[in-house]
Amino acid sequence: NAGVMQNPRHLVRRRGQEARLRCSPMKGHSHVYWYRQLPEEGLKFMVYLQKENIIDESGMPKERFSAEFPKEGPSILRIQQVVRGDSAAYFCASSFGQGTNSPLHFGNGTRLTVT
Amino acid sequence: DAKTTQPTSMDCAEGRAANLPCNHSTISGNEYVYWYRQIHSQGPQYIIHGLKNNETNEMASLIITEDRKSSTLILPHATLRDTAVYYCIVRSTDSWGKLQFGAGTQVVVTP
Repeated sequence: NAGVMQNPRHLVRRRGQEARLRCSPMKGHSHVYWYRQLPEEGLKFMVYLQKENIIDESGMPKERFSAEFPKEGPSILRIQQVVRGDSAAYFCASSFGQGTNSPLHFGNGTRLTVT
Repeated sequence: DAKTTQPTSMDCAEGRAANLPCNHSTISGNEYVYWYRQIHSQGPQYIIHGLKNNETNEMASLIITEDRKSSTLILPHATLRDTAVYYCIVRSTDSWGKLQFGAGTQVVVTP
């Protein structure tokens, strides 16, 4: 029973390039969440998606960041025109339901380095 | 969401039980207590959660006080692989999946 799969595990981008992070939720899970962990800081919520819908994007930076969870395929977190401050670990999580009795299960993250 | 307070760090001897405390004095009646841990360079790992009854699974036990203002995570036989940062999180019904991760407790299991 595969867990949450994220790829790539490590991603290096030059300033100004685009970064695409992919997340496949656990089997049977239709709720996806993205979190970011900046160096020496705690995990911060970014966005919550269900299939084809963004439910809560209150943690997403207003510019350059977008997320999608299409009907088919993985969820994608896209960062346009990356800057050094985007360097961080990005974690995806999924859950079976949206209720508080439904745990989130996290992947092992994508570590983005902007040079 | 209710805030939680945890010790910054604690040590535990291998093979002994590790008891990790968490205070959540402002918890509401419909808020769950969740525990996660993060081993260096990995994603957070779900451990256990509960509302008001004590819970046990293959990883740990969760003891919640009767007034629900504090809880204890128990790792019954700590191993070196249990060295991690442990997060106690209170999750409310209107928070969706917006978990508030604090600083957690750095647990070091020593041989």
